[in-house]
Amino acid sequence: EPEVTQTPSHQVTQMGQEVILRCVPISNHLYFYWYRQILGQKVEFLVSFYNNEISEKSEIFDDQFSVERPDGSNFTLKIRSTKLEDSAMYFCASTLQGRGEQYFGPGTRLTVT
Amino acid sequence: EDQVTQSPEALRLQEGESSSLNCSYTVSGLRGLFWYRQDPGKGPEFLFTLYSAGEEKEKERLKATLTKKESFLHITAPKPEDSATYLCAVYNTDKLIFGTGTRLQVFP
Repeated sequence: EPEVTQTPSHQVTQMGQEVILRCVPISNHLYFYWYRQILGQKVEFLVSFYNNEISEKSEIFDDQFSVERPDGSNFTLKIRSTKLEDSAMYFCASTLQGRGEQYFGPGTRLTVT
Repeated sequence: EDQVTQSPEALRLQEGESSSLNCSYTVSGLRGLFWYRQDPGKGPEFLFTLYSAGEEKEKERLKATLTKKESFLHITAPKPEDSATYLCAVYNTDKLIFGTGTRLQVFP
């Protein structure tokens, strides 16, 4: 059964450093998302991506964040200068249709020290 | 502003003891309500999508129902392996808005 994959599973970085989180969505899906979940809190939307451009972004997704689909399979989230408050679990998701069920990856745990 | 509220926050059940989880929502035009299961340290796992009031979906011991203001996830004769956090989310423009979840523990 196709699934969304994410790498790395755990990333530790120092404050101010750049990180890139990687995702491989399900191959025939067209809509891609990043969400994050701070420990003990709800899953929060960051950004949606369709047809090679951002379709919507949240207030969290400021100028320090960017997304890219560099080839036909990968979808990346870059944080340019990490802050302590960026520590969270980051989930990638994809769906075939905009209103359809979104399938989530296993997540990348980002720890900023 | 669209909102999703889940109750209870936590639920402890004996194996075989049926119960229901609630998801209340406030949206300007529901375009889809989703139930997910999340195990500790893992990503949400899709369970059900409901699109209109009166709709019901079933999968093994789980049944999801939808009214105009809330959704219920009924769990019949739960087993310990049903222990997880159950998340409810509504679709809004191009994203899911999640509730805080119900943490379910089923004891043998």
